[in-house]
Amino acid sequence: DGGITQSPKYLFRKEGQNVTLSCEQNLNHDAMYWYRQDPGQGLRLIYYSQIVNDFQKGDIAEGYSVSREKKESFPLTVTSAQKNPTAFYLCASSMGQLNTEAFFGQGTRLTVV
Amino acid sequence: KQEVTQIPAALSVPEGENLVLNCSFTDSAIYNLQWFRQDPGKGLTSLLLIQSSQREQTSGRLNASLDKSSGRSTLYIAASQPGDSATYLCAVRNSGATNKLIFGTGTLLAVQP
Repeated sequence: DGGITQSPKYLFRKEGQNVTLSCEQNLNHDAMYWYRQDPGQGLRLIYYSQIVNDFQKGDIAEGYSVSREKKESFPLTVTSAQKNPTAFYLCASSMGQLNTEAFFGQGTRLTVV
Repeated sequence: KQEVTQIPAALSVPEGENLVLNCSFTDSAIYNLQWFRQDPGKGLTSLLLIQSSQREQTSGRLNASLDKSSGRSTLYIAASQPGDSATYLCAVRNSGATNKLIFGTGTLLAVQP
């Protein structure tokens, strides 16, 4: 069953903690993305990676970090430097060529407690 | 800078009605445009992908059109059903070196039985 798996579905973070959101895909896609969704603001790009061992900052990268050590995996760490981390986080992937379709995971809802 | 706008923000229609959702973008230099559906608390489901060289794409009761020169796309839903109730998002992939999807803020559709 091909697709994108995000885990966990719900995540609670205490003030000052770092947390890592998992994103795994078995679609053999080269490109992977992390978006943040807040009510009324649409999706905003955090980081993206077009190939293994390479990634670029998106529009709101401050307070986040990523790694791309394997083609299938693109974990996102929300650091304590991110002042307002409560949001819905979405991972996506695509073949990598610029004219290809993007597919999304089911999301992780992060809440600061 | 590319900006994507979706109007209206919310729409309520009776079951069986045909409807049109609108998406506009400011920079016509795009590779493609993609329409997604999002159910509450869920990830995005890809509905249709239109390449910049295409005028329209169809899938079942859905038809998406693209007028790149005027920066507009429409999603036509025929014979709407309560199960069509969701948020519909459009996204464009800009021409250029970066491989990013830029999203509109979505249209929340409610189909009343």
